[in-house]
Amino acid sequence: KNEVEQSPQNLTAQEGEFITINCSYSVGISALHWLQQHPGGGIVSLFMLSSGKKKHGRLIATINIQEKHSSLHITASHPRDSAVYICAAHGGATNKLIFGTGTLLAVQP
Amino acid sequence: DAGVTQSPTHLIKTRGQQVTLRCSPKSGHDTVSWYQQALGQGPQFIFQYYEEEERQRGNFPDRFSGHQFPNYSSELNVNALLLGDSALYLCASSRVAGFTGELFFGEGSRLTVL
Repeated sequence: KNEVEQSPQNLTAQEGEFITINCSYSVGISALHWLQQHPGGGIVSLFMLSSGKKKHGRLIATINIQEKHSSLHITASHPRDSAVYICAAHGGATNKLIFGTGTLLAVQP
Repeated sequence: DAGVTQSPTHLIKTRGQQVTLRCSPKSGHDTVSWYQQALGQGPQFIFQYYEEEERQRGNFPDRFSGHQFPNYSSELNVNALLLGDSALYLCASSRVAGFTGELFFGEGSRLTVL
């Protein structure tokens, strides 16, 4: 079992839909990152959070430390949101960054 | 303000050869970390450099080594290349050592080993 699990692995949505991507981790963490990767490779950091909730535009990230779970929400999804979304947990004890396998999102017009 | 830059963008090597990849961090950042991403997989942490020293290391063999220079730029060296080393190598920089600060990634260097 991976230390960081994401679900779903693949997600297809219609433009305008509300999207949720989940991330569960088994290690104690000091921070959790949500990243976006477009075809071709470049990665963009969306959020870094250690508690509570953060919002940026149409994106919202939440984390529940007790349940070891984080979610990334996209409101009013758009085809340009199509990408791979990756969560990565900073294991405080190991001081390493452990990545999930990613969620491939396709938003259709 | 230039972001994180990596070079080369693409390269092809043969088994047994050695490769050096380079990374210049975002202005104001002093911490650089390296990642390997095989096709269809998530990235894997290789190591992180801060103050010219390797601070953390993932589960990679000693064939993978690095260096950080006084200007905070960094190199990743891979010796005795194997076919399985074919991957996208990503560099990220941050203001904060460890992973409790926002990470800024370069576009990556795609290595093909034949």
